[in-house]
Amino acid sequence: NAGVTQTPKFRILKIGQSMTLQCTQDMNHNYMYWYRQDPGMGLKLIYYSVGAGITDKGEVPNGYNVSRSTTEDFPLRLELAAPSQTSVYFCASRRLAQYQETQYFGPGTRLLVL
Amino acid sequence: ELKVEQNPLFLSMQEGKNYTIYCNYSTTSDRLYWYRQDPGKSLESLFVLLSNGAVKQEGRLMASLDTKARLSTLHITAAVHDLSATYFCAVDSGAGVLQFYFGTGTSLTVIP
Repeated sequence: NAGVTQTPKFRILKIGQSMTLQCTQDMNHNYMYWYRQDPGMGLKLIYYSVGAGITDKGEVPNGYNVSRSTTEDFPLRLELAAPSQTSVYFCASRRLAQYQETQYFGPGTRLLVL
Repeated sequence: ELKVEQNPLFLSMQEGKNYTIYCNYSTTSDRLYWYRQDPGKSLESLFVLLSNGAVKQEGRLMASLDTKARLSTLHITAAVHDLSATYFCAVDSGAGVLQFYFGTGTSLTVIP
């Protein structure tokens, strides 16, 4: 299994541009998450999904959108990029909402907005 | 607002020494998760603590959970350089277990 994969690894955007961060997992996990990690900080939840067609906002959803049309894919869309969205973005998945289940993280996407 | 606080934020220790990282949280959740992150890398799961008094050990790391005090500790025994990394604790949102809230991390440097 590849686990959780993310593309691209690194991207530079100009202010006002849009882009989609891709996330795919091959573990048939129901739950998927998008986090951002600012320098020297912990992770903040942007959006999460409990299954195909079902998504919900996390702590910091403004400026982002998500969709989940399949179990495997959970893309994150940035509209009108702003410098405040410069961060490292991690996608994660989890098999079930069972207490013993931890999250599995992708390698991250570094985004720089100039 | 749910808060997860770790201390210290930065820790420099010599090889062979022992130390403890603390994680305090404000929710009533009984579950706590520890992760490790190497520089420029993703997060790797270390421990899942599911109940009051839970203790788990892996190599030189031991994690424990006191839900009454809302405190988890990560104890490092006889540190080695390979343990240099940032350690995060996280709690879930309770009923439904939908969201995770992360601490700010403890950056550990083990000096030879």
